[in-house]
Amino acid sequence: KQEVTQIPAALSVPEGENLVLNCSFTDSAIYNLQWFRQDPGKGLTSLLLIQSSQREQTSGRLNASLDKSSGRSTLYIAASQPGDSATYLCAVPFYNNNDMRFGAGTRLTVKP
Amino acid sequence: DAGVIQSPRHEVTEMGQEVTLRCKLISGHNSLFWYRQTMMRGLELLIYFNNNVPIDDSGMPEDRFSAKMPNASFSTLKIQPSEPRDSAVYFCASSFSGTSQETQYFGPGTRLLVL
Repeated sequence: KQEVTQIPAALSVPEGENLVLNCSFTDSAIYNLQWFRQDPGKGLTSLLLIQSSQREQTSGRLNASLDKSSGRSTLYIAASQPGDSATYLCAVPFYNNNDMRFGAGTRLTVKP
Repeated sequence: DAGVIQSPRHEVTEMGQEVTLRCKLISGHNSLFWYRQTMMRGLELLIYFNNNVPIDDSGMPEDRFSAKMPNASFSTLKIQPSEPRDSAVYFCASSFSGTSQETQYFGPGTRLLVL
């Protein structure tokens, strides 16, 4: 059974800091891994999708890495801004399957 | 495009009542996913459809839950009868092709409270 864990559960940083969010999964036979952002009371917005054959993906100030063999992914946010405050979730589908397993999320607060 | 549309955004009902949640897919998408989010269990996939056909409903908690796609752009999730433990935020998401390679686009969710 695929289990997805995110550490830390909550993180508070001052504006401008670089930070790393962690995601680990128990079954390395994944198709891809996605990072989502969820704002309070809102749905999820996809940030980055990394295919199983890729090591990393970048979008603006965000960089996500994937290490299948160790069952880990990280989301790096450079030069954090108050607008980055949200909950960040990683999700892993079973291989060739749409049953996505989500981590519990990391609640990020960036203080001005 | 307006994105995935869900209605109602909030629903408060009494135990035993029927609840119907609605979802409109993004135009051109052919896969739809229903999720439930709670503090205790996080986000869980309930059911997904590809080209109007239910592919996997193993996440549906029990027979009180049913989902349909009467056409290619619309879906309903029905709970009958509702129970307090059904209280959660229900999201639907859509994608094109329905494979794991495609990003799912989420609706804003329906916050359900069953008293």
